[in-house]
Amino acid sequence: DQQVKQNSPSLSVQEGRISILNCDYTNSMFDYFLWYKKYPAEGPTFLISISSIKDKNEDGRFTVFLNKSAKHLSLHIVPSQPGDSAVYFCAASGTNQGGSEKLVFGKGTKLTVNP
Amino acid sequence: DAMVIQNPRYQVTQFGKPVTLSCSQTLNHNVMYWYQQKSSQAPKLLFHYYDKDFNNEADTPDNFQSRRPNTSFCFLDIRSPGLGDAAMYLCATSTRLGLQPQHFGDGTRLSIL
Repeated sequence: DQQVKQNSPSLSVQEGRISILNCDYTNSMFDYFLWYKKYPAEGPTFLISISSIKDKNEDGRFTVFLNKSAKHLSLHIVPSQPGDSAVYFCAASGTNQGGSEKLVFGKGTKLTVNP
Repeated sequence: DAMVIQNPRYQVTQFGKPVTLSCSQTLNHNVMYWYQQKSSQAPKLLFHYYDKDFNNEADTPDNFQSRRPNTSFCFLDIRSPGLGDAAMYLCATSTRLGLQPQHFGDGTRLSIL
């Protein structure tokens, strides 16, 4: 069963506009959420995180929103730039997952920002 | 720059021939992880070390083993690779378990002939 779901395999936006990437989770024990960015032939790079005690975290052009009741988080990129074109992975972890506290990843969303 | 380095970047082996993938880190992190990622799939955790304590995921095949001889190095051994083991293998580190981002290497792409 997929505990972290990214239902959009791809997203295309125009440069300068907002990119919104979505992620849903099923495990109510998750309490820490992260977004990673991955360029081809490189490993995932940590982008931004949020703990369950917050509903928003902002870092420059990147903002993550968490809606615990809906078990949903989103990543907003404003304004989008061509260099943001990459695969974005949502990940979650919980302190009570059998003690392992492992990250569970979604399958990723490929973002393309068109000049 | 402190980083996570995986060698080799590309590895080709024969069906059934043992292969070892290497990961080193200069971050001095306590935890090291190995993930398997197949095309268009989420990275899947195989196991992790917290210092010298090894933690295997329940669904990791016995064919996969790991060694961590010191803080800086961690190895992934595949004893008898099958065609289904062709994948990207990612190594990651973190200072501690939970509530911390993990730092990834660039991966080793393993092909099986």
